[in-house]
This record gives sequence, C-alpha cells and structure tokens, in this order.
Amino acid sequence: GQQVMQIPQYQHVQEGEDFTTYCNSSTTLSNIQWYKQRPGGHPVFLIQLVKSGEVKKQKRLTFQFGEAKKNSSLHITATQTTDVGTYFCAGPRSSNTGKLIFGQGTTLQVKP
Amino acid sequence: DVKVTQSSRYLVKRTGEKVFLECVQDMDHENMFWYRQDPGLGLRLIYFSYDVKMKEKGDIPEGYSVSREKKERFSLILESASTNQTSMYLCASSRARGNQPQHFGDGTRLSIL
Repeated sequence: GQQVMQIPQYQHVQEGEDFTTYCNSSTTLSNIQWYKQRPGGHPVFLIQLVKSGEVKKQKRLTFQFGEAKKNSSLHITATQTTDVGTYFCAGPRSSNTGKLIFGQGTTLQVKP
Repeated sequence: DVKVTQSSRYLVKRTGEKVFLECVQDMDHENMFWYRQDPGLGLRLIYFSYDVKMKEKGDIPEGYSVSREKKERFSLILESASTNQTSMYLCASSRARGNQPQHFGDGTRLSIL
C-alpha cells in the first residue's frame, strides 16, 4: 500500500547547528504538507508544496518538493531551542478524499 | 482561527468499558478525522467522516466505531476498551475541497487499566 517514510526518526543537535529531515513517498504526490508538533502539543500545519521542484522558505526553515514529486525535505538553519518538536510530512492518499498519509515523524532535540 | 476541541485531555478507563471521545470543531469543516498517535508509529487514521452520518474506515478501525450526527461533532467510541488501546487520540478537521490542511485538537491521552 501507499507509504510515506521519514528519516531520521530522531536527531539531537547543538543549538546553532543545521538540521534536515527527509520524506519519501512510495507514490507520486499531488502535494506535500509539513506539520510541527511541540512536546505535549498537537500537530500544527506549517506549509504545503504543490509544484515539482518547489522551494519555500519560512525564516530559517526551507522546504523542498522533489522534481519527481515523491520526496521532500525540511531544512532548519541555525537551530534554536524553539525548534524542538516532531516534524511530520504528509501527502494525500491515492483516493484523494481529503485524507492524508503521515510519515512517522522526525523528533528534533536541541541542546542549548 | 479554527478551533478543534476534544472533550478530555486525560482519561483513565477500565478494560471492557465503553469509552466515548468527543470532538467539536467551529469552522463548518466538512471533513473530520480520528487518529491515534503512538511513539515511532506517527499518526494512524482510525476513521474519517466527510459529511453528517457519513464515515469511512481508516487504517486501524478494529475495536472502534464513530458517530457524526451533527456537522461540528465527531465522536470516537471504543466498544469494549482493551489495554492495547492505551494511546494518544487526536481529532482533526479540514475543508473538503482541494488539498486542505488539517487542524488538530489538543488530543486525549487515554489509559486503559
């Protein structure tokens, strides 16, 4: 069945270091969404990418959608302690009913 | 701003009990979802509803049922709670058209003893 895989599962970085999480889909996606879940919180929508090769930036966060629309990445430059949390990618299910399939998430820890 | 409210933040129930988790959204969203979140497994879809009284099974519907009698309310029912249903349960809603982002509630951490 359709799968969305994220790596790594966990990442510990020193504050100021960069961080990247990768998302790979078993199928071509019409779009990809990214969510952030703070410790003890709920997932919050960050961004959606739609076009092949699209790159979007939100301050220190850079999101990319692969040319084949089967992979995506989130890169954080110069991490801060406020970046701590779990980052999920999600793509629409093949049935395209509004349902998403989520990756397992990458949990980021930042040491001050 | 979209508000998705789950009835309980923490809940402790006993094996065999019938458990109701309630979710209400205030943005007139057509779609509503129930997920469970377990460490290392991400968000797994239990049930989905795209309209009042309409529902679809997700990836892990066994042991669960749902009810959507009003557009704003989506209930998850554990028919006979078991210890392997101890988990974090998240409700979400979204608009139906296009690829709309999902808005999540704060979650209910359910423990079955």
